Amino acid sequence: GAVVSQHPSRVICKSGTSVKIECRSLDFQATTMFWYRQFPKQSLMLMATSNEGSKATYEQGVEKDKFLINHASLTLSTLTVTSAHPEDSSFYICSARLKTGLNSNQPQHFGDGTRLSIL
Amino acid sequence: AQSVTQLDSHVSVSEGTPVLLRCNYSSSYSPSLFWYVQHPNKGLQLLLKYTSAATLVKGINGFEAEFKKSETSFHLTKPSAHMSDAAEYFCVVGNSWGKLQFGAGTQVVVTP
Repeated sequence: GAVVSQHPSRVICKSGTSVKIECRSLDFQATTMFWYRQFPKQSLMLMATSNEGSKATYEQGVEKDKFLINHASLTLSTLTVTSAHPEDSSFYICSARLKTGLNSNQPQHFGDGTRLSIL
Repeated sequence: AQSVTQLDSHVSVSEGTPVLLRCNYSSSYSPSLFWYVQHPNKGLQLLLKYTSAATLVKGINGFEAEFKKSETSFHLTKPSAHMSDAAEYFCVVGNSWGKLQFGAGTQVVVTP
């Protein structure tokens, strides 16, 4: 149980292109989903928290107009990297948390990540 | 405020020998603690979690971790390493809103 599907797994595109990444919770409802960025040989950096039916909450230093997040349903959140440039190349990972009244001890379940390469 | 420190960036063990990954945390309240494993170019898989029910937590694949409040530690152990255990391991602390703070990670290498 608690499977999170992330698509696509790899994207290679030209500079200036917008790229959409999907994150789906397959067998549970997720009120909250999270988007992370991971640079090579580094830990995960939280970019934003995506709440179903409301605006995403972005971490300091993350451009909300650059990284558009939509959480249209309890099982789907999307991250769109707008007008991508080479410096946006990275490994993007989403996670989802079970819908529950007690947030602190519910683990996040992670997708397999998306390797984004901008040429 | 909370933080987590993984004391070893790299651990190398022989197959069949014990594995110890060290983690210390800082939290102003009773924390939620997790260990995740990440294989190359993959997402993170939950190994185990501590949520104050028991100080010794058993996880998947033979891993376990012990919560020691007096030492603010949550070290991960496995009695006998397997080749498939080679991966990156993250110690993670969660706040009351469910936001996670990741450690820097420990790279585990298993030699035959």
